[in-house]
Amino acid sequence: DVKVTQSSRYLVKRTGEKVFLECVQDMDHENMFWYRQDPGLGLRLIYFSYDVKMKEKGDIPEGYSVSREKKERFSLILESASTNQTSMYLCASSLPSGRLEQFFGPGTRLTVL
Amino acid sequence: AQKITQTQPGMFVQEKEAVTLDCTYDTSDQSYGLFWYKQPSSGEMIFLIYQGSYDEQNATEGRYSLNFQKARKSANLVISASQLGDSAMYFCAMREFSGGYQKVTFGTGTKLQVIP
Repeated sequence: DVKVTQSSRYLVKRTGEKVFLECVQDMDHENMFWYRQDPGLGLRLIYFSYDVKMKEKGDIPEGYSVSREKKERFSLILESASTNQTSMYLCASSLPSGRLEQFFGPGTRLTVL
Repeated sequence: AQKITQTQPGMFVQEKEAVTLDCTYDTSDQSYGLFWYKQPSSGEMIFLIYQGSYDEQNATEGRYSLNFQKARKSANLVISASQLGDSAMYFCAMREFSGGYQKVTFGTGTKLQVIP
């Protein structure tokens, strides 16, 4: 059974803290993605990666960075968390070709106080 | 312009009835793909159905079918014989080639509630 896991379901951090969100997939997928989901806005792409050590900015990369040192792991980093980064964060992976349907993790609900 | 538009923020349907969730899209690509995902209250996004732009037949997966009208740029999801477990958020998404990569854009979602 294919699986994408995220390090935490719920996370509470303080303004200014450095936050790491980890995502691991066991499907040997080349492509990995980070989205944030906010009510009324749907899913918005933060960063994506199509290969190890490769990263590309999505639609809303400001305030975020990513790391992909191994194929199965894609980390999202909030260098200095702010209250407007309170959101649901979803990680996904896909094959590099074909339909490109994405497999999602369970999400991390991050609250920044 | 919005890439993906879902005009129904919320919908109700009686159990065992059929329901259509609307989705329109905007792209200048000839080759693209359309997806529907379901997100139950647990939060995990579940892939439901896919339609390629060159597919001549409407996609079907069990009780789900995608009503693809290319000229109108619409890709509505039809759920037949609704069940209580169908209550969830539903997202339409489109894959297209953008900035040198295949990118997927999601709509804002429709919250479906199935009434017993």
